[in-house]
Amino acid sequence: AQKVTQAQTEISVVEKEDVTLDCVYETRDTTYYLFWYKQPPSGELVFLIRRNSFDEQNEISGRYSWNFQKSTSSFNFTITASQVVDSAVYFCALSEASNTGKLIFGQGTTLQVKP
Amino acid sequence: NAGVTQTPKFQVLKTGQSMTLQCAQDMNHEYMSWYRQDPGMGLRLIHYSVGAGITDQGEVPNGYNVSRSTTEDFPLRLLSAAPSQTSVYFCASNPGQGARANYGYTFGSGTRLTVV
Repeated sequence: AQKVTQAQTEISVVEKEDVTLDCVYETRDTTYYLFWYKQPPSGELVFLIRRNSFDEQNEISGRYSWNFQKSTSSFNFTITASQVVDSAVYFCALSEASNTGKLIFGQGTTLQVKP
Repeated sequence: NAGVTQTPKFQVLKTGQSMTLQCAQDMNHEYMSWYRQDPGMGLRLIHYSVGAGITDQGEVPNGYNVSRSTTEDFPLRLLSAAPSQTSVYFCASNPGQGARANYGYTFGSGTRLTVV
């Protein structure tokens, strides 16, 4: 069965600190997709990244970077030099190629960046 | 190109009332789904559809009905509202199987429902 675990419920950092959000997943499919979404206080879900299971290359986008490790079933998200605008709830999610109609979310991590 | 449109944005119901949350997409996406978001529990899948005429249950389907008569629309019906259904509801769509699935999911802006 699919499962996504975000063990960190809340994280609080001071601006300019680096912060890593953890995501561990479970799936029996050999092909799957992993996602990160941001939910700011306004409530909408903002797509950040999609990673395919057959592509283990890490990705960097500005201050954001993602570390995908199949060996540990993890897809961690790092924000470098955090800013107040990064304050939000962040969700990790999993979709299996056998049924991409289903997107399974983790519980979410609330990140508070203090000035 | 509006993406995924949900209506209404806010709704208050009395226990036992029924209502339909509307979801429409104009991207010709094959797949659509409904989620509910509750504090500390992330988003949980209620029902999903992989095409017109095809629906399936997700993790928390009880108390909800869906149908998919067209590609564009995927309404969610609450049959007899209960306080436990107080939540924020999100509708999502994605292109479907195959390479297009790589495009990811597009979410509506959500419906905040309160059942009193």
